[in-house]
Amino acid sequence: LAKTTQPISMDSYEGQEVNITCSHNNIATNDYITWYQQFPSQGPRFIIQGYKTKVTNEVASLFIPADRKSSTLSLPRVSLSDTAVYYCLVGDGRTGGGADGLTFGKGTHLIIQP
Amino acid sequence: NAGVTQTPKFQVLKTGQSMTLQCAQDMNHNSMYWYRQDPGMGLRLIYYSASEGTTDKGEVPNGYNVSRLNKREFSLRLESAAPSQTSVYFCASSWASNEQFFGPGTRLTVL
Repeated sequence: LAKTTQPISMDSYEGQEVNITCSHNNIATNDYITWYQQFPSQGPRFIIQGYKTKVTNEVASLFIPADRKSSTLSLPRVSLSDTAVYYCLVGDGRTGGGADGLTFGKGTHLIIQP
Repeated sequence: NAGVTQTPKFQVLKTGQSMTLQCAQDMNHNSMYWYRQDPGMGLRLIYYSASEGTTDKGEVPNGYNVSRLNKREFSLRLESAAPSQTSVYFCASSWASNEQFFGPGTRLTVL
């Protein structure tokens, strides 16, 4: 089971680009990297998932180097509403429901200031 | 579509009481999960069900039982509640384990 390491907290300002890095040194060949966002008093929400190189959607980008031992979630032009906890998970998305990749850890508490 | 729904939203129990937390999803997902989240902590997996008719233990199963009633519903039961089970409980469902949809949570206090 691949373990992930993220910074406990980060802060930035509105309009800035924020990059949150996750380390996963023992990632397996079949593992995908998934990021979730959680606001207070709500369940986590899926943001983005990737396997290698770069993935972009309407919310964020995910950068994965060739060795896949780390990944970086990039949030462009953040606003106050991006203040949340961000979780990085690593696991085999093809297992269709196994426990692999279901360790959320403590996540990164991102605080955006005006 | 309602997504994932959980009932109740809030519950207060006395030590030793039992209760069942209900979860239902309308996305035709095969897999369903129960997590608990304690203050300042990440989510910890209690039980999961990869498909209808199967359940497996997660990281913290002690003190809990689950039932996958059908494809839509996955319930979590506390047979004899303890103060250590005071937490927020989240249910989730998915096609594959890495893209889960979460419910709004149940806030449980055990006195």
